[in-house]
Amino acid sequence: NAGVMQNPRHLVRRRGQEARLRCSPMKGHSHVYWYRQLPEEGLKFMVYLQKENIIDESGMPKERFSAEFPKEGPSILRIQQVVRGDSAAYFCASSPGGSDTEAFFGQGTRLTVV
Amino acid sequence: QKEVEQNSGPLSVPEGAIASLNCTYSDRGSQSFFWYRQYSGKSPELIMSIYSNGDKEDGRFTAQLNKASQYVSLLIRDSQPSDSATYLCAVREGGGADGLTFGKGTHLIIQP
Repeated sequence: NAGVMQNPRHLVRRRGQEARLRCSPMKGHSHVYWYRQLPEEGLKFMVYLQKENIIDESGMPKERFSAEFPKEGPSILRIQQVVRGDSAAYFCASSPGGSDTEAFFGQGTRLTVV
Repeated sequence: QKEVEQNSGPLSVPEGAIASLNCTYSDRGSQSFFWYRQYSGKSPELIMSIYSNGDKEDGRFTAQLNKASQYVSLLIRDSQPSDSATYLCAVREGGGADGLTFGKGTHLIIQP
């Protein structure tokens, strides 16, 4: 009974490169959320997706960041032309949806931009 | 701007005592409330959820919600050194499946 799976666990990118973070939700979960946690900061909501739909991207930076959750395969958070300020832990959570739903987190991807 | 406020701590509690963690939120329309535990370098782990006013108990943990005061708390009875972690309060505006607004967390230290 696998939980939320994220990969890679650690990712190092040079400034200007692209970062791709993957998230496979728990079995039976169709709702995916991405959060970012900067050092000594709280978790910040970025985007909420269901299969093939972005439901809420109000927390996503307007430039360089995008997310998708295709019909087949994991959800992808993509960061283009990374900068040092993008260095953070990126967490994915999933939920089954519905009323009063609980969300469960993956292990996170620690992105370091050098 | 929705805000969730927590005392950052550290909150130091002797082993075996009750640890009390508090959280206030700004959005009066908030419907769902959650406590997560996060060990250093690890991911958040769901401890408790609460949706209606009053107390909800699960083992050594009790969540308390007062919507009129916009206040939610977590009590940990018989605190253990393994409870030492950062505790994150999270709030959802609606009763559905929207994303959560998190506080910055309270760092709890249980002294053996």
